[in-house]
Amino acid sequence: DIQMTQSPSSLSAFVGDRVTITCRASEDVISDLAWFQQKPGKAPKPLIFDASTLRDGVSSKFSGTGSGTNFTLSISSLQPEDFGTYYCQQYYRYPLTFGGGTKVAIK
Amino acid sequence: QLQLVQSGGEVKKPGASVKVSCQASGDTFVKYVIIWIRQAPGQGLEWMGWVSAANGNPTYARKFLGRVTMTTDTSTNTAYMELRRLTSDDTAVYYCAGGINPRKLQFWGQGSQVTVSS
Repeated sequence: DIQMTQSPSSLSAFVGDRVTITCRASEDVISDLAWFQQKPGKAPKPLIFDASTLRDGVSSKFSGTGSGTNFTLSISSLQPEDFGTYYCQQYYRYPLTFGGGTKVAIK
Repeated sequence: QLQLVQSGGEVKKPGASVKVSCQASGDTFVKYVIIWIRQAPGQGLEWMGWVSAANGNPTYARKFLGRVTMTTDTSTNTAYMELRRLTSDDTAVYYCAGGINPRKLQFWGQGSQVTVSS
C-alpha cells in the first residue's frame, strides 16, 4: 500500500498568515493527489484534485503544488473559517490511502 | 451536483452486522460510483471500497474482503454498505462519497455513526 505522510501534524497560525502543509507519498503517485478539509463532526470537503486543480466553488486562497512523491497545500491568508483538519489522499493505486491529517488552529 | 443523505447512527453488539444506506439526489444516479470510507474515533480516513451504481459491481479493500457487501438499488437511488462480524474496532463514522471516477471522492454524505459495544 502507498503510505502518505503529512507534516506537521498540527499547527497554529495568526489570521492573515500564509500556511503550508506537506504531504509525502511512499512511492510515485504522479499527480493523482487530492486535498480535503474536515471540520469537527462534519464530512471531509474536497478542495483540490490532480494535485493542483481547485474544485469548483473553493476559494482561490487554497493552492496545491507538487508531483511524484512531494506535495504541498498552501493557504495564502489564513482566516478564522479555515480551522480544521486537512488530509491528503492518493488515488494513483488501490487501496486509496490518506495522510494522517494536519490540524490547523487559529492563534 | 450529487447530494448524498445517509442513514442514522446505530449501536450494535460484537458479532452482529450493520447496514448503512446512502440515498442520492440531484443528478442521475447511474452516472456515479459510490465509495465508502470510515473514520474511527480520533483517527484518519480509511477507504473500504466502491460500487458502481450503473451495474452494481463492487470493488472491496483487501482488509474487508469476506466481511463487507456493497450494493445499489437504482429504483430508490440508494447505495448500501453491510459490514458483518462486527468488533469494537469497527466503531467509526462511515461515509459514502460519490464520483464519476471511483478514485475521486467528489461528493460526500454526512456520515453515519456505528458503535459496536457489548
